[in-house]
Amino acid sequence: DAKTTQPNSMESNEEEPVHLPCNHSTISGTDYIHWYRQLPSQGPEYVIHGLTSNVNNRMASLAIAEDRKSSTLILHRATLRDAAVYYCILRDRRRGGADGLTFGKGTHLIIQP
Amino acid sequence: ETGVTQSPTHLIKTRGQQVTLRCSSQSGHNTVSWYQQALGQGPQFIFQYYREEENGRGNFPPRFSGLQFPNYSSELNVNALELDDSALYLCASSLWGLAGDETQYFGPGTRLLVL
Repeated sequence: DAKTTQPNSMESNEEEPVHLPCNHSTISGTDYIHWYRQLPSQGPEYVIHGLTSNVNNRMASLAIAEDRKSSTLILHRATLRDAAVYYCILRDRRRGGADGLTFGKGTHLIIQP
Repeated sequence: ETGVTQSPTHLIKTRGQQVTLRCSSQSGHNTVSWYQQALGQGPQFIFQYYREEENGRGNFPPRFSGLQFPNYSSELNVNALELDDSALYLCASSLWGLAGDETQYFGPGTRLLVL
């Protein structure tokens, strides 16, 4: 899977929007963009994924740049429970899942009350 | 809907011993993946099981092995434990399909300490 680059950490205030960036300049046309997060002392949790168009679900929104070389995970109104490590992962839709998810170090999101 | 469960939650072993970790998949899922997460790092893929066979493997030696049972539950076995095997071991279940659309559901993990 192609490589992704994320900031090591970000800080935001409670009840404000949070924009988490991810760069993936070597993305291929068949790569889906997935986001997972890991709360303290828990296993990772799926957040959202998309291919080309922006996506919304109950947890977050995913904004994908027109050239697909970057994307942004948007938490519309952060709560203390959103403090976690957020991972941006590319997955090639031509391949089966047999190679697993490739996690980097992710972005450690800190939420201030 | 029952989520992914893992047992035990914590385990302490000594170097050279063998360990078995267990995972119950989320209801309806037929694929299970195992990951190792060292402190301060992201999870690393160990292997995946589908239809009771190992379907893919990361960069882990053969002393890491597994099983998947007809009810889709799974075991991870590690032989000849080394100090570096100390980590959080995560199990994830999913429905087999193309990687792009597959969503993995993780359990809470088993924390293994090797002394």
